[in-house]
Amino acid sequence: DTEVTQTPKHLVMGMTNKKSLKCEQHMGHRAMYWYKQKAKKPPELMFVYSYEKLSINESVPSRFSPECPNSSLLNLHLHALQPEDSALYLCASSHLPRRRSTDTQYFGPGTRLTVL
Amino acid sequence: AQKITQTQPGMFVQEKEAVTLDCTYDTSDPSYGLFWYKQPSSGEMIFLIYQGSYDQQNATEGRYSLNFQKARKSANLVISASQLGDSAMYFCAMTQGTGGSYIPTFGRGTSLIVHP
Repeated sequence: DTEVTQTPKHLVMGMTNKKSLKCEQHMGHRAMYWYKQKAKKPPELMFVYSYEKLSINESVPSRFSPECPNSSLLNLHLHALQPEDSALYLCASSHLPRRRSTDTQYFGPGTRLTVL
Repeated sequence: AQKITQTQPGMFVQEKEAVTLDCTYDTSDPSYGLFWYKQPSSGEMIFLIYQGSYDQQNATEGRYSLNFQKARKSANLVISASQLGDSAMYFCAMTQGTGGSYIPTFGRGTSLIVHP
């Protein structure tokens, strides 16, 4: 089973709203990732959690706040977003094998976020 | 620094024909991994195939094969017997092993359209 689930599928929010994106995997993977993707562009890494600890933050604005409650769950809390934050937000997970170059990321279906 | 190049922004193919999507890479790390992902309009990034830098044989997965030419630093994806459902964006990605990041670097993608 290589399934990563994400909710919600679509989200429309105003600039003053607070919302959260959720991601879940049950593959026993030890790393989880948030990516932001604009149309026709490759995904851009935002955050990485490895062994439930934040290991990479790619200088993401503080209006995006990640949280990893346990090894299977990853949240992205959104507050005071801007219209340019509208994008597809993808969650991924990977096993983190000893030979890291073989590590395969498995992605969820994404959340299409629109900020009005 | 690692770099992935996909020079074909768009490709068209007739149903049931084979198509090759190009990917070249640049790295000085002897240990690396090469990946192809498919992204339909629905948004999910689907892992297709993996090739390790030390693998002697080209990777194959069903109708997908990876034409790995190490000396030329190319990792082209070959899709045999194209189907209408193959219409999607295709991303090539690379990870590095020794001393490098296990986070993949993605190419800009190739949009494939399969005509009936």
